[in-house]
Amino acid sequence: GESVGLHLPTLSVQEGDNSIINCAYSNSASDYFIWYKQESGKGPQFIIDIRSNMDKRQGQRVTVLLNKTVKHLSLQIAATQPGDSAVYFCAESAGNTPLVFGKGTRLSVIA
Amino acid sequence: DADVTQTPRNRITKTGKRIMLECSQTKGHDRMYWYRQDPGLGLRLIYYSFDVKDINKGEISDGYSVSRQAQAKFSLSLESAIPNQTALYFCATSTTVHNYGYTFGSGTRLTVV
Repeated sequence: GESVGLHLPTLSVQEGDNSIINCAYSNSASDYFIWYKQESGKGPQFIIDIRSNMDKRQGQRVTVLLNKTVKHLSLQIAATQPGDSAVYFCAESAGNTPLVFGKGTRLSVIA
Repeated sequence: DADVTQTPRNRITKTGKRIMLECSQTKGHDRMYWYRQDPGLGLRLIYYSFDVKDINKGEISDGYSVSRQAQAKFSLSLESAIPNQTALYFCATSTTVHNYGYTFGSGTRLTVV
């Protein structure tokens, strides 16, 4: 069946270092991928998205990489800050279907 | 005001009671969704609606029902609440095209005792 999962449930990084959060997906028909950030007590917030016709997309301090060959998605956060501490979710969609979410990775930034 | 508003924010109810969670949006989006979040399980889709006349079951629809009263309103009902429905519930909206994904509400924390 379809699944979106994460390699690491928790990640701790030093402030100022770069963070990499990984995600594996199994639906080869997925053509749209998103990363969300969820802070405590809040709903998920959009970070960055990428379509399957791209392999890299950059935003402000964030980069998403997509490797369709191995069905892998990653989120890179440059110069990680305390405000980046949150749970990060990847999500995928195939065509017109609703988003399927991964289980999440908790990022803790050590000051 | 928030783009997607969920009420109530917190609710404690007893087993067997019927409860309704409400969601309203000012985004003008056609599509609305209900997800459930449990620790370690991410967000799982309960029901979704692509327009007012469209209702679809998601991954975990058993024990739930929905009503799309208007483009801006999408409510989730638990007909007879049970303890394993204790969770954080999120409503979300999107346009017909997957641009910028979904806009989520702040969630409703439901506890069934």
